[in-house]
Amino acid sequence: KAGVTQTPRYLIKTRGQQVTLSCSPISGHRSVSWYQQTPGQGLQFLFEYFSETQRNKGNFPGRFSGRQFSNSRSEMNVSTLELGDSALYLCASSLVTGSNQPQHFGDGTRLSIL
Amino acid sequence: SQQGEEDPQALSIQEGENATMNCSYKTSINNLQWYRQNSGRGLVHLILIRSNEREKHSGRLRVTLDTSKKSSSLLITASRAADTASYFCATDARADYKLSFGAGTTVTVRA
Repeated sequence: KAGVTQTPRYLIKTRGQQVTLSCSPISGHRSVSWYQQTPGQGLQFLFEYFSETQRNKGNFPGRFSGRQFSNSRSEMNVSTLELGDSALYLCASSLVTGSNQPQHFGDGTRLSIL
Repeated sequence: SQQGEEDPQALSIQEGENATMNCSYKTSINNLQWYRQNSGRGLVHLILIRSNEREKHSGRLRVTLDTSKKSSSLLITASRAADTASYFCATDARADYKLSFGAGTTVTVRA
């Protein structure tokens, strides 16, 4: 079974631009969560989608948004990029929603803001 | 804010030795999970322990949970070079099912 696939792996943008990151979950998994990982803040939860609905949201500004499609693939969008948005963005999928579900992570998209 | 905090921040051991790391958290939980992250890669799920469980084993891994002390430990026995990685605990607050990760323990296994 293929794992979680995130594209692109690396991305360089400049301040003020916007970016869209993509995540394809493991086949059959319906829950997709997004995390931001930085050396200073560690792993921070962004949001979770299940059956095309946002189920949970972390403490991030409205510039961070996401969506999930009917095939469970998910996209994350960040608008008006700031230097502090430089991070590794990780996507994780699980069969269903719930904190008793092991999360299966992709290898992330490393976003650098110049 | 981070619910879980790992200790120590870093650990260096010789191959064959055991590695122990701890996780403390602040509020009551439903479950606690441990993950491993190799450099430049995503996290890999290691083990999940429920709040009504006290100990769980998986291969060379042993996890304990003490809900009265709000703490958990991960023991890796007979370590190998391939165990070199960062290890994270993840908890959920009972009223909030979002997973919250600690800052991690970086383990280096020397050959």
